[in-house]
Amino acid sequence: EVQLVESGGGLVQPGRSLRLSCTASGFTFGDYAMSWFRQAPGKGLEWVSFIRSKAFGGTTEYAASVKGRFTISRDDSKSIAYLQMNSLKTEDTAVYYCTRVVGWLPDIWGQGTMVTVSS
Amino acid sequence: EIVMTQSPATLSVSPGERATLSCGASQSVSSNLAWYQQKPGQAPRLLIYGASTRATGIPARFSGSGSGTEFTLTISSLQSEDFAVYYCQQYNNWPCSFGQGTTLDIK
Repeated sequence: EVQLVESGGGLVQPGRSLRLSCTASGFTFGDYAMSWFRQAPGKGLEWVSFIRSKAFGGTTEYAASVKGRFTISRDDSKSIAYLQMNSLKTEDTAVYYCTRVVGWLPDIWGQGTMVTVSS
Repeated sequence: EIVMTQSPATLSVSPGERATLSCGASQSVSSNLAWYQQKPGQAPRLLIYGASTRATGIPARFSGSGSGTEFTLTISSLQSEDFAVYYCQQYNNWPCSFGQGTTLDIK
């Protein structure tokens, strides 16, 4: 079964850091681009970050709202994608979803992990 | 960034009836349009991609149409499990972008 499982969410103070993990199973992780999305409480969906597969250079993209603060990475040997979040703000509070990307389409979504930024 | 607009914001329909949801793009996205269903406390679930292709395991009562800037999701005969929030998403231009969602509730 193709599956993505996020972990690492929690309550953190403004200005602090958190690292999210996305563990994949059921497919050849290294063949796919991966992306992170988020959804603030009661709000819609927002793209956060994207990383290409190594075959396409493993390059990364970021939404303007997180550029310079968040870093996406991948460990193909472990089938894990990461989102390192630094200098967190209250407006980063959201459920964070990891997705597999096929031809620019996020086709498989994890169940999400909640990040709450509050003092 | 391409702006996606969904209408209506809320749609009230009786079980067994047909529901039609609309999605518009601020510029052409060709057929690179997806529809997702989201229930409370759950992740979005891919229903339709390529504007009209059903994802694996999606019932035939869900259908999508359109291209360019105007798209429609139709649910032919609503079942109780279909009442949820529906989002359209363009993936023609990165960053991909979503509509604000249509809440489909029971009349």
